[in-house]
Amino acid sequence: GDSVTQMEGPVTLSEEAFLTINCTYTATGYPSLFWYVQYPGEGLQLLLKATKADDKGSNKGFEATYRKETTSFHLEKGSVQVSDSAVYFCALPDRGSTLGRLYFGRGTQLTVWP
Amino acid sequence: GAVVSQHPSRVICKSGTSVKIECRSLDFQATTMFWYRQFPKQSLMLMATSNEGSKATYEQGVEKDKFLINHASLTLSTLTVTSAHPEDSSFYICSARLSGRETQYFGPGTRLLVL
Repeated sequence: GDSVTQMEGPVTLSEEAFLTINCTYTATGYPSLFWYVQYPGEGLQLLLKATKADDKGSNKGFEATYRKETTSFHLEKGSVQVSDSAVYFCALPDRGSTLGRLYFGRGTQLTVWP
Repeated sequence: GAVVSQHPSRVICKSGTSVKIECRSLDFQATTMFWYRQFPKQSLMLMATSNEGSKATYEQGVEKDKFLINHASLTLSTLTVTSAHPEDSSFYICSARLSGRETQYFGPGTRLLVL
């Protein structure tokens, strides 16, 4: 079945460093792909998404490009801030049912130090 | 747009009591709502999916008599943890989506502590 695999964390960076969090997917065809972010003690927020191959999603300085050649949707940011410290989840929809579920990766904890 | 609220944000209860958590979509009609459970430093575990006006679909291993879900309207779903025990202590998160759309919008979560 469809699934996503995220790089293991935690990731620790200094402020203004470059961020990459890897996400690869296994799916038949080209499902939509999502990145969600969870700040401490909160629910998840949609960070960005891409609905078809070669699309680039972007928001708040974060970007991810849907690459079908490498079945990847890596999250990047050129200069992280302390406020970006959170857990990041890659996700794709369960197209095998009508329930509308999302499959989530295990999450990657990012800590940014000043 | 697409705001989802949860109430309460935090609840402490005694073992054996029941606790109700509400999930509301504030500015859209949610035909489908989802309930997740999250343990510390772990990913989300989907508990059940509910569609307005019909019975919830529970994931394997989730006790439907323990975790009662009601989706009575297009803007409200409730999760009731019946006869709560300390092992039910967790962070419960709901999400909602529009019919035909893939994006889920999440509530802020409810932290349950059962003493």
